[in-house]
Amino acid sequence: DAGVIQSPRHEVTEMGQEVTLRCKPISGHNSLFWYRQTMMRGLELLIYFNNNVPIDDSGMPEDRFSAKMPNASFSTLKIQPSEPRDSAVYFCASSLRADPLSYNEQFFGPGTRLTVL
Amino acid sequence: AQSVTQLGSHVSVSEGALVLLRCNYSSSVPPYLFWYVQYPNQGLQLLLKYTSAATLVKGINGFEAEFKKSETSFHLTKPSAHMSDAAEYFCAVSDRGRVRAQKLVFGQGTRLTINP
Repeated sequence: DAGVIQSPRHEVTEMGQEVTLRCKPISGHNSLFWYRQTMMRGLELLIYFNNNVPIDDSGMPEDRFSAKMPNASFSTLKIQPSEPRDSAVYFCASSLRADPLSYNEQFFGPGTRLTVL
Repeated sequence: AQSVTQLGSHVSVSEGALVLLRCNYSSSVPPYLFWYVQYPNQGLQLLLKYTSAATLVKGINGFEAEFKKSETSFHLTKPSAHMSDAAEYFCAVSDRGRVRAQKLVFGQGTRLTINP
């Protein structure tokens, strides 16, 4: 079974350009998470969805960031315009929220390494 | 707000030696606690989790962790280090509860190096 798929794996862009990161969760999973990892701030949760609906976007840094989940098998994280401080590794994770009263393991994708020049 | 502190950003041990990675959490009630491992250029993988009354938790690859409420700690151990254990390890915490259980807060990570 394929794990979480992210594309692209690496992205290099210039300041001011629009960047779109893509994620395909594990088939059957109904929760999806976007994280950002930097040396300075570590691993931070940006936003997560349950059944394609955004539940908590309090970690989204600012209005330049937006995330969508149009269906159960696809999500995007968009940065417009991008800035050098957005350079980081962005991870997508998914889980099967079978029991909302218990913890449900999150499975992480390999990440997208974004460099904004 | 929940938080975790990992003591030591880098830990180096010899192959065959005991591995001890430290994690302390901040919470007013017993939370869920986790250890994840990240190998170079890969995503995070769950090693083990504490979500119930069993305070000693066994995970994959011979790792285990003990939840100590009195010390607000959840240290990760392995009796004998292997070269393949070299990676970065993250402690994480979440609240219990219907929605908040989904929000993980990660520590800064500890990079484990194994010396031959």
